[in-house]
Amino acid sequence: EAQVTQNPRYLITVTGKKLTVTCSQNMNHEYMSWYRQDPGLGLRQIYYSMNVEVTDKGDVPEGYKVSRKEKRNFPLILESPSPNQTSLYFCASSFTVADTQYFGPGTRLTVL
Amino acid sequence: GQNIDQPTEMTATEGAIVQINCTYQTSGFNGLFWYQQHAGEAPTFLSYNVLDGLEEKGRFSSFLSRSKGYSYLLLKELQMKDSASYLCAVRPPGSGGYNKLIFGAGTRLAVHP
Repeated sequence: EAQVTQNPRYLITVTGKKLTVTCSQNMNHEYMSWYRQDPGLGLRQIYYSMNVEVTDKGDVPEGYKVSRKEKRNFPLILESPSPNQTSLYFCASSFTVADTQYFGPGTRLTVL
Repeated sequence: GQNIDQPTEMTATEGAIVQINCTYQTSGFNGLFWYQQHAGEAPTFLSYNVLDGLEEKGRFSSFLSRSKGYSYLLLKELQMKDSASYLCAVRPPGSGGYNKLIFGAGTRLAVHP
């Protein structure tokens, strides 16, 4: 089944404790992206990747890192999480940047 | 800059027709998407418009007017399962903007019997 998977789905952590949210797609998509969704603000793009080893900042990249060592995986790294990073995070992928994006199921992160 | 406006909430009756509007102010334009998102779930693709006019897909249609910076999503024969948020998203112009989607805050639609 073609899909985008994220892990974990739910995470509660404390300020400053490094964490990684994984994202994997099995559709051989080149383009992958991370969003955060907050009430009243909609989805905002954090980082995106056009292909392996090609990443760039979205609109809200501060406090996040990403890597794209393999085509299928695009992990989101929070080196030192803070409470303002409490949010719902979505990973998305598409064949190319011009195509429809397919979203993962989301990761609800709470930083205490 | 970019700004996308949608109504926050709408209600409608089962079997009726509802129109969800989206206006955008961007320095250019490279296409507009509509996504559906049920509470707690991932957004799913509904439609894509890049040229002016109406795109019809079953019960759902989407309209675009680039000169007016305006789009709407039309849902016909509403069903209870259509209760969800509807997200309007614009792809800004330029080589950097082409890689991005700018989302509106979404319109929460409640369908009642």
